[in-house]
Amino acid sequence: NAGVTQTPKFRILKIGQSMTLQCAQDMNHNYMYWYRQDPGMGLKLIYYSVGAGITDKGEVPNGYNVSRSTTEDFPLRLELAAPSQTSVYFCASSYSGTSYGYTFGSGTRLTVV
Amino acid sequence: GENVEQHPSTLSVQEGDSAVIKCTYSDSASNYFPWYKQELGKGPQLIIDIRSNVGEKKDQRIAVTLNKTAKHFSLHITETQPEDSAVYFCAASIHKGSSNTGKLIFGQGTTLQVKP
Repeated sequence: NAGVTQTPKFRILKIGQSMTLQCAQDMNHNYMYWYRQDPGMGLKLIYYSVGAGITDKGEVPNGYNVSRSTTEDFPLRLELAAPSQTSVYFCASSYSGTSYGYTFGSGTRLTVV
Repeated sequence: GENVEQHPSTLSVQEGDSAVIKCTYSDSASNYFPWYKQELGKGPQLIIDIRSNVGEKKDQRIAVTLNKTAKHFSLHITETQPEDSAVYFCAASIHKGSSNTGKLIFGQGTTLQVKP
C-alpha cells in the first residue's frame, strides 16, 4: 500500500514550458486535492475532485488544469510556466468529504526560471 | 470565503516545556478543525482533529481546544521532545453531509523548534 505517490520530486522548468505533475493513490479514495505551499503562506488549494470525471477550482486555479479520468489518478497540468508558479506542490486524498483528514503525498518541488 | 490565521509563525521551547499554537477562523459555518505536522522534506501528516460539537480532544501529549463563540482553536503539546520539531498547520473546513467537498483552508504554519 503506497498511499499517495507524486512524481517527479523535483523539476526545473523554463518560462513558457509546460509539464504535468503526476499524482496517484491506491487507497480507493474518492476525493483528491492539489495544494501549493509557499513560504509563510500555508497551503493553498488549486483544484480538487470529488470523484472520477468531476473536478472543480480551488482558491488559486489560474495557470493550472486538472483531469480525473480514473479514481486513482489526478494529474495537474501547468501550461506556459511562470516564475510565480515556483512552489512545492502537494497532492492529497481522502475517502470522502466527511472522512477524518487527508493523506498527503511527499510533494513536488518546482522551480521556474 | 473562509480565512484561517495562525500564530505564532515560529516558536522555540526547551525540551520538556509546553507549546501552544493558536488559530482563528472567519466562517462560523466551519465545523471541522484538523492539525497537521510537516517534517522536513515530507508531506503534512494529520496528528489530531476536532469537530464543532466538541470543546476539547486529547491524544497522549497533544490536545486541541475549540472556542466556537470566539472562533478560535488551539494546539497544545505538553512535555515537548526534540522529535516534535516540525512545521504545524491548522485548518478549517465545512462539512455538509452528502454535498461535502472536504476542502480545507490552512493557516500559514508554525515552525516549532524544541531545544534539547
